[in-house]
Amino acid sequence: AQSVTQPDIHITVSEGASLELRCNYSYGATPYLFWYVQSPGQGLQLLLKYFSGDTLVQGIKGFEAEFKRSQSSFNLRKPSVHWSDAAEYFCAVGGGHNTDKLIFGTGTRLQVFP
Amino acid sequence: GAGVSQSPSNKVTEKGKDVELRCDPISGHTALYWYRQSLGQGLEFLIYFQGNSAPDKSGLPSDRFSAERTGGSVSTLTIQRTQQEDSAVYLCASSLGGSAQMAQYFGPGTRLTVL
Repeated sequence: AQSVTQPDIHITVSEGASLELRCNYSYGATPYLFWYVQSPGQGLQLLLKYFSGDTLVQGIKGFEAEFKRSQSSFNLRKPSVHWSDAAEYFCAVGGGHNTDKLIFGTGTRLQVFP
Repeated sequence: GAGVSQSPSNKVTEKGKDVELRCDPISGHTALYWYRQSLGQGLEFLIYFQGNSAPDKSGLPSDRFSAERTGGSVSTLTIQRTQQEDSAVYLCASSLGGSAQMAQYFGPGTRLTVL
């Protein structure tokens, strides 16, 4: 069965520091992978997605993610975090048989200190 | 253009009452999804529509939950005889459909509180 693990429940970084949020997935075939961000009281916004091809994908707001099949990982990165990046981040996998549903990880809450 | 809209934004109801939650997808999006977000369970898939049919309703937690979609557009999620454990934020998403590659775009959600 498909599953997504986000090992870090809560991460705190200083503004301007680099960021890496971890995501590991379990899937029987080539997964479709997504990162979403949810600001307080807001809906989910798509940051980036991976389907095939170049394993390093660029997203909005300066985020990027790298697909590593050998490690079953799809970690999200940003070279320099801004205070406005404080939010909850969700990794998701899709592409199951006869369904387009997404399976989400439990999320990582990012706190940014000035 | 307009995004996914949901109504109401907040709903407070008493245990045992029925509630209806509405979702208006992005125009032209053939696929529509309902998810539930709660503190204990995270983000859970409920049901997926392609057009007016639901090829995957595996996430509906009980027969108290049902959903329909008419005209390939608006969808309504109905919860009968609500229970306190139904309290959650119900999120709707839509996509161009036809493939899991199509990104899903989410609405702001309906916060349901069952007293």
